[in-house]
Amino acid sequence: DSGVTQTPKHLITATGQRVTLRCSPRSGDLSVYWYQQSLDQGLQFLIHYYNGEERAKGNILERFSAQQFPDLHSELNLSSLELGDSALYFCASSVVGGRGETQYFGPGTRLLVL
Amino acid sequence: GDSVTQMEGPVTLSEEAFLTINCTYTATGYPSLFWYVQYPGEGLQLLLKATKADDKGSNKGFEATYRKETTSFHLEKGSVQVSDSAVYFCALSPPSSASKIIFGSGTRLSIRP
Repeated sequence: DSGVTQTPKHLITATGQRVTLRCSPRSGDLSVYWYQQSLDQGLQFLIHYYNGEERAKGNILERFSAQQFPDLHSELNLSSLELGDSALYFCASSVVGGRGETQYFGPGTRLLVL
Repeated sequence: GDSVTQMEGPVTLSEEAFLTINCTYTATGYPSLFWYVQYPGEGLQLLLKATKADDKGSNKGFEATYRKETTSFHLEKGSVQVSDSAVYFCALSPPSSASKIIFGSGTRLSIRP
């Protein structure tokens, strides 16, 4: 158990809908990261938040957005969903987000768009 | 850009066999290198890491050495067990961005009893 929690575990929705994925980092960690794992694209970095502020963006679509709240939990919002958004979404956390720092991954949320 | 290439799977071995999973990388400067493991139905777990050239990361009998001259970080284990069956990801954190980890495509390992 990494100490990172994600809810829900599974999500099934329809095209065009909007969903919110939630992540609670390990106690004491200030950085939260979001990743997408799909069969065709592999594991891709989406976005990094540190202590409430966006720190870096990766291959995140404009239809996706994230935020980190004062209690350090984070939410990833996916809107206007398409079939291709079906994937496993992982959240990870680390202490501050420094170079070479270990990121601890949650169990993931499996999203299926029908 | 920065990237990681690892050997295609699946890899199937018998218990107690020697394991090597090859990993090479492309990056400017000196990235940090990682091996993560994903057991069925679970998230990724850090297996080992190395942050500078010639460092050796080790954990649970697995080892990998950061080779700058060959830009490689091959994963090895002397005697695998059935419980090692999982997907293994080689990854790097580029010096230009401490935020993100760039992952290889993953290698599925199956160990036969």
